[in-house]
Amino acid sequence: ELKVEQNPLFLSMQEGKNYTIYCNYSTTSDRLYWYRQDPGKSLESLFVLLSNGAVKQEGRLMASLDTKARLSTLHITAAVHDLSATYFCAVDSKPGGGADGLTFGKGTHLIIQP
Amino acid sequence: NAGVMQNPRHLVRRRGQEARLRCSPVKGHSHVYWYRQLPEEGLKFMVYLQKENIIDESGMPKERFSAEFPKEGPSILRIQQVVRGDSAAYFCASSPSGGFYGYTFGSGTRLTVV
Repeated sequence: ELKVEQNPLFLSMQEGKNYTIYCNYSTTSDRLYWYRQDPGKSLESLFVLLSNGAVKQEGRLMASLDTKARLSTLHITAAVHDLSATYFCAVDSKPGGGADGLTFGKGTHLIIQP
Repeated sequence: NAGVMQNPRHLVRRRGQEARLRCSPVKGHSHVYWYRQLPEEGLKFMVYLQKENIIDESGMPKERFSAEFPKEGPSILRIQQVVRGDSAAYFCASSPSGGFYGYTFGSGTRLTVV
């Protein structure tokens, strides 16, 4: 059974600081996804990482994927309050990808304080 | 493009009643997925459907839950004889052809069983 683990689960940080969220998964997967969720809202797609060594950046967020280590990171640079949200990583549930849904981590609750 | 439309946004049911949740995928998307999110948890895969076919229902409880995606009209997640433990947010996602291009999530239906 595929397991996806995120850490930390809770993170409180100050504006202007850098931090990294980690996502480990237990079996081979070709695709990894990062989503953002605001309270009471749906999931907003941030990144789709498709191959080993993939790195994507959008504003203050950068995501990377190491398929050999089964590890993805979401790095936050010079955090601002607007980035406060819950961040989920998710992995295709079947090895090799496919259209069979995602397995999600429990999410990282990020609070950025002024 | 209206995105994934779910309704109702909020649904309150008494124990023993039936709940019907609707999901209209992004226009042109033929793959629909249902997920359940309990408070402070990640999303859990329930079922994956294509038009008129259930492809994978491995995450769906064996009793009281059913899903369909008819040739015409929205996908329906049906919960019969609801219990308090069914209270959760139910999200629908769609994709055009597997997860290569990612998944688009709807805003969810928050079901409360009283």
